[in-house]
Amino acid sequence: SAVISQKPSRDICQRGTSLTIQCQVDSQVTMMFWYRQQPGQSLTLIATANQGSEATYESGFVIDKFPISRPNLTFSTLTVSNMSPEDSSIYLCSVPERFSYNEQFFGPGTRLTVL
Amino acid sequence: AQRVTQPEKLLSVFKGAPVELKCNYSYSGSPELFWYVQYSRQRLQLLLRHISRESIKGFTADLNKGETSFHLKKPFAQEEDSAMYYCALRNQGGKLIFGQGTELSVKP
Repeated sequence: SAVISQKPSRDICQRGTSLTIQCQVDSQVTMMFWYRQQPGQSLTLIATANQGSEATYESGFVIDKFPISRPNLTFSTLTVSNMSPEDSSIYLCSVPERFSYNEQFFGPGTRLTVL
Repeated sequence: AQRVTQPEKLLSVFKGAPVELKCNYSYSGSPELFWYVQYSRQRLQLLLRHISRESIKGFTADLNKGETSFHLKKPFAQEEDSAMYYCALRNQGGKLIFGQGTELSVKP
């Protein structure tokens, strides 16, 4: 299994500012996923971050709004830019099981509130 | 379209009663289906996957391709089963598509 930590665990931010969320994994992984869970909603995939290449964004998500860095095989950041109250969500980092990809492991999430 | 539907937002049962959490999917191809669970103040974790055909914590789920369903069942619910349950489909690109989730509440 993989152990994933995220920072910060929660934050309250002002409209128009940006927040960078960090994701650290205890093992080297090729793929890392970033999800958003809006209040009362399911998890929605934002993007897939591969080390050494540009992140791949899902429909409805753009790099200018959610820039992602993946400097090495154990770390990634997601920035939520120019925030509005609609960005209030839980943001989760996830990695697949290393060899079989049969399972995904999730971080504890970052609870973001935008005022 | 690739979609996972969990029609029940909340399911409330008494301890010892059978429980069935419904999941229907839409996917053109051979689906890989999973159930994930999130207990209170814990992170999301895998409960079971259809490919393993296993029983975890007394829960089972059978893939019914004719009905495009993957319902989660347990014959006798326990209080510790109270949690949020998500059905998920993994597409050919390896991405997980989640249903809306069902909150299971098991009352004593």
